[in-house]
Amino acid sequence: GESVGLHLPTLSVQEGDNSIINCAYSNSASDYFIWYKQESGKGPQFIIDIRSNMDKRQGQRVTVLLNKTVKHLSLQIAATQPGDSAVYFCAEKSRYNAGNMLTFGGGTRLMVKP
Amino acid sequence: GAGVSQSPSNKVTEKGKDVELRCDPISGHTALYWYRQRLGQGLEFLIYFQGNSAPDKSGLPSDRFSAERTGESVSTLTIQRTQQEDSAVYLCASSFFADTDTQYFGPGTRLTVL
Repeated sequence: GESVGLHLPTLSVQEGDNSIINCAYSNSASDYFIWYKQESGKGPQFIIDIRSNMDKRQGQRVTVLLNKTVKHLSLQIAATQPGDSAVYFCAEKSRYNAGNMLTFGGGTRLMVKP
Repeated sequence: GAGVSQSPSNKVTEKGKDVELRCDPISGHTALYWYRQRLGQGLEFLIYFQGNSAPDKSGLPSDRFSAERTGESVSTLTIQRTQQEDSAVYLCASSFFADTDTQYFGPGTRLTVL
């Protein structure tokens, strides 16, 4: 399918290295954050989420860090693999949003070099 | 199927024509969302359905856009009198409940308006 995000910021890493993808948000009422991975021609795939009462959450090879003071969210991928190549989006939800509508960031393209 | 499905996967239409896009959510999911993704950009919320409640249409960009959902199953997004700026990937997502429950996305429908 057509590539998503031809003009997105790009992070290029070597296979096996760690990757850090950053996201800034502006809504101080945001209380729930999600990272999605989107491969070309596919819909976004859930990676990991974190609530505002936490500052760190770990999954398999992924860690999300939340700094509410500076409204910053990051996704760390350990031992990056070629299959991690995709566009990564952060999304947030405000506690005042009835219904779980997500506001998405612009996305970052991760390219993994073998 | 186990995931969210959307049809058609691709739709090419002429300016001024109407189009209908279909979404089949995951069985048992009460909440359903439509998003639009323009090339190189993140996802824009369009509309949200929760059970039998009135839908939240706050994200619809104009009155040419409408959506329906039958109970807690299939949804159709209709765009009337399509314009070239409507060209985008239209993504559907569903979740079990609305409040901070993970949204699972379909593969999207790529709409091209000539």
